[in-house]
Amino acid sequence: NAGVMQNPRHLVRRRGQEARLRCSPMKGHSHVYWYRQLPEEGLKFMVYLQKENIIDESGMPKERFSAEFPKEGPSILRIQQVVRGDSAAYFCASSPATSGGLKQYFGPGTRLTVT
Amino acid sequence: QQPVQSPQAVILREGEDAVINCSSSKALYSVHWYRQKHGEAPVFLMILLKGGEQKGHEKISASFNEKKQQSSLYLTASQLSYSGTYFCGTTSGNQFYFGTGTSLTVIP
Repeated sequence: NAGVMQNPRHLVRRRGQEARLRCSPMKGHSHVYWYRQLPEEGLKFMVYLQKENIIDESGMPKERFSAEFPKEGPSILRIQQVVRGDSAAYFCASSPATSGGLKQYFGPGTRLTVT
Repeated sequence: QQPVQSPQAVILREGEDAVINCSSSKALYSVHWYRQKHGEAPVFLMILLKGGEQKGHEKISASFNEKKQQSSLYLTASQLSYSGTYFCGTTSGNQFYFGTGTSLTVIP
């Protein structure tokens, strides 16, 4: 059973460009979480999604950031008009519906660098 | 709402024991513990649910005192592979909060 997959693993964007980060949850998992981790800091909750639904996006910046988890395909975290402060590692995690989101399996992360 | 962990950092010699504490200002219904090595994703260690239980995972165990809103992670006879940053995590509604982190370094 493949684990949580994220791609790309490394992404470099110039200021003002768009960044798209993808997360494929483990097979059978219908809950996805996105987190941001700044260098030498902990993980900060951004958004919690289930298939076709955003359950909680209270940790996401109000502007430029959006997330989706379509019926088919991976979950996407989209950052428009990136700025240097967006440089961070972005992790997604998935959990099966039955766990109530308690046990999360993390992907390897996408390291975004904004130049 | 972010749980506070102590200590922030600890250095151990192989074979020594360590305790990492996690405190929350809000009521805790469950506590998770994860370990993250530099440049890697967090790895799940264990979950503790209400009831003051203690769980074990090899030589790593944890306790949960919901009245005190605290959890502690115990590392016994530490090994080099235990090095990393340890995070506790708690849920509040639909959100998941990671603690401030404790950097653990085990030296030979």
